[in-house]
Amino acid sequence: DVKVTQSSRYLVKRTGEKVFLECVQDMDHENMFWYRQDPGLGLRLIYFSYDVKMKEKGDIPEGYSVSREKKERFSLILESASTNQTSMYLCASRRKANYGYTFGSGTRLTVV
Amino acid sequence: TQLLEQSPQFLSIQEGENLTVYCNSSSVFSSLQWYRQEPGEGPVLLVTVVTGGEVKKLKRLTFQFGDARKDSSLHITAAQPGDTGLYLCAGQRNFNKFYFGSGTKLNVKP
Repeated sequence: DVKVTQSSRYLVKRTGEKVFLECVQDMDHENMFWYRQDPGLGLRLIYFSYDVKMKEKGDIPEGYSVSREKKERFSLILESASTNQTSMYLCASRRKANYGYTFGSGTRLTVV
Repeated sequence: TQLLEQSPQFLSIQEGENLTVYCNSSSVFSSLQWYRQEPGEGPVLLVTVVTGGEVKKLKRLTFQFGDARKDSSLHITAAQPGDTGLYLCAGQRNFNKFYFGSGTKLNVKP
């Protein structure tokens, strides 16, 4: 089975800190994604990458950046964490377009 | 405003009952997927439908894609407590983007 592993299940960070969320997939998938999930708003796409060193902005990229130096790893960076970035962050991968996503278990980030 | 509207938002039923969840849009999608998410976990893909009018069955779950590829439904027969979770639909419109609905939270009471 494809596995998507997110480095932390829970994180608490202070306002202004730089935060790194790591995601690793083990099935050689081309595409990787970062979403945030908030009650009543569903999943919103932050950034995605369709290949190594490639990245595209999603619907809500402000305050975030990403890095994909290796095919299996996709990192989400909060440059200066703010309280409105408190959320559940979900990483996903898929083999290529038109395939379904495999999601990680999520990282619940609280910014205080 | 969500591109995909799911209804109902919440559903609480007794074990053994049938239910239908709807996913509607004014936009056409090239494919549509359904996921189930349990508390504290990421969504898990249940099915992908691609052709207008397509019906797929997964044990007690029946998925249908609308003829115009703008809507979909999920029907569960004889619901069980193990069906409890958040059901999400996601529609694909272009190469790399899926649009998610906000979900239907189902609780099946024993």
